[in-house]
Amino acid sequence: AQKVTQAQTEISVVEKEDVTLDCVYETRDTTYYLFWYKQPPSGELVFLIRRNSFDEQNEISGRYSWNFQKSTSSFNFTITASQVVDSAVYFCALSPPRETSGSRLTFGEGTQLTVNP
Amino acid sequence: EPEVTQTPSHQVTQMGQEVILRCVPISNHLYFYWYRQILGQKVEFLVSFYNNEISEKSEIFDDQFSVERPDGSNFTLKIRSTKLEDSAMYFCASREYGYTFGSGTRLTVV
Repeated sequence: AQKVTQAQTEISVVEKEDVTLDCVYETRDTTYYLFWYKQPPSGELVFLIRRNSFDEQNEISGRYSWNFQKSTSSFNFTITASQVVDSAVYFCALSPPRETSGSRLTFGEGTQLTVNP
Repeated sequence: EPEVTQTPSHQVTQMGQEVILRCVPISNHLYFYWYRQILGQKVEFLVSFYNNEISEKSEIFDDQFSVERPDGSNFTLKIRSTKLEDSAMYFCASREYGYTFGSGTRLTVV
């Protein structure tokens, strides 16, 4: 069984602060994929990143960065110099290998990030 | 950029009525999914569909639910006799390498 835990239910920061959203996962698969999605107040799910379990390199995309640590089963997400537009619910998700029939995404509970001006 | 299209964006229905939620996945994707998100909660897997049949379903996906790909482009979720607790946002997704989600259908059962 797969499980994703996002222990932080809500985080509130002031604009320009850096913020890290935590994600811890459990899986018996030796290969898997990890994802982050953003859900703004409008409700859609916006894809942010996909990470293959073989690739432990950290990734940076503009103000966003991701830290994947297989040893601790964590895939944390940092927003640098946060902005009000970053306010949203952020979901971490896990899926088995692509070849697996179905390959359902298992989502965490989500972290509500509020960035105050 | 290709996208997954869902219609309607919002549907209100009376308890006990049947509803059909529609999705047009990305054309060259082979795997299709329905997920559900009750207000304020996490996104939950309902069902996956591949090669014109269900490949996996969750415990939520009971006999009142069914999926169909009636033609080469549409992918539908039918809820036979809606209950109040079916009120949720329903997301369709299709997958090649990554999952692409539609913008969702907000179903309200009254």
